[in-house]
Amino acid sequence: SQQGEEDPQALSIQEGENATMNCSYKTSINNLQWYRQNSGRGLVHLILIRSNEREKHSGRLRVTLDTSKKSSSLLITASRAADTASYFCATDQPSNTGKLIFGQGTTLQVKP
Amino acid sequence: DAGITQSPRHKVTETGTPVTLRCHQTENHRYMYWYRQDPGHGLRLIHYSYGVKDTDKGEVSDGYSVSRSKTEDFLLTLESATSSQTSVYFCAISGDREGEQFFGPGTRLTVL
Repeated sequence: SQQGEEDPQALSIQEGENATMNCSYKTSINNLQWYRQNSGRGLVHLILIRSNEREKHSGRLRVTLDTSKKSSSLLITASRAADTASYFCATDQPSNTGKLIFGQGTTLQVKP
Repeated sequence: DAGITQSPRHKVTETGTPVTLRCHQTENHRYMYWYRQDPGHGLRLIHYSYGVKDTDKGEVSDGYSVSRSKTEDFLLTLESATSSQTSVYFCAISGDREGEQFFGPGTRLTVL
């Protein structure tokens, strides 16, 4: 049962451009988290946004959450080649606290 | 990956054989998780633990068992491996049930 679905599945941009990835989910949440995975590596936590928050920033990352639309977006500004990775959203639900449900991810390629 | 290791990192085995994967942490975190990652499915939770000897099933627990006799170790066992269990397995830890998770480097398992 996939809770989160990312859009687009793949994204290719030039270095310096902004990258936006979207995540939609189906049921109510405690929080929504974004993770990055470089090829062949484990996932790295990027940012957590709680259900009562609407926007959060961390360096070049900006995450928004719209609980009425059950959607979130991750914006990476001024992208770098090192941002090339897969990005996953994951939701923590009140009915299953602690059991994150991951989407299938967006693969981002940043061309130098 | 600091503070969390997985062993082995790669394993090839034959159908019907038992396999045990080990996750070891040095962070003294209470919560530990086993996920599998497959193309087209993202990450799916197999089992998780909320303390020594306390475990619960995840989304795809059939064919897997776990044990946690010490805070630092969480073992995943495939009693009789099948080809459908060929996957990349990730362990994760968390100090907060609703918080971010820290992932290990993964174990690539091939069942022939």
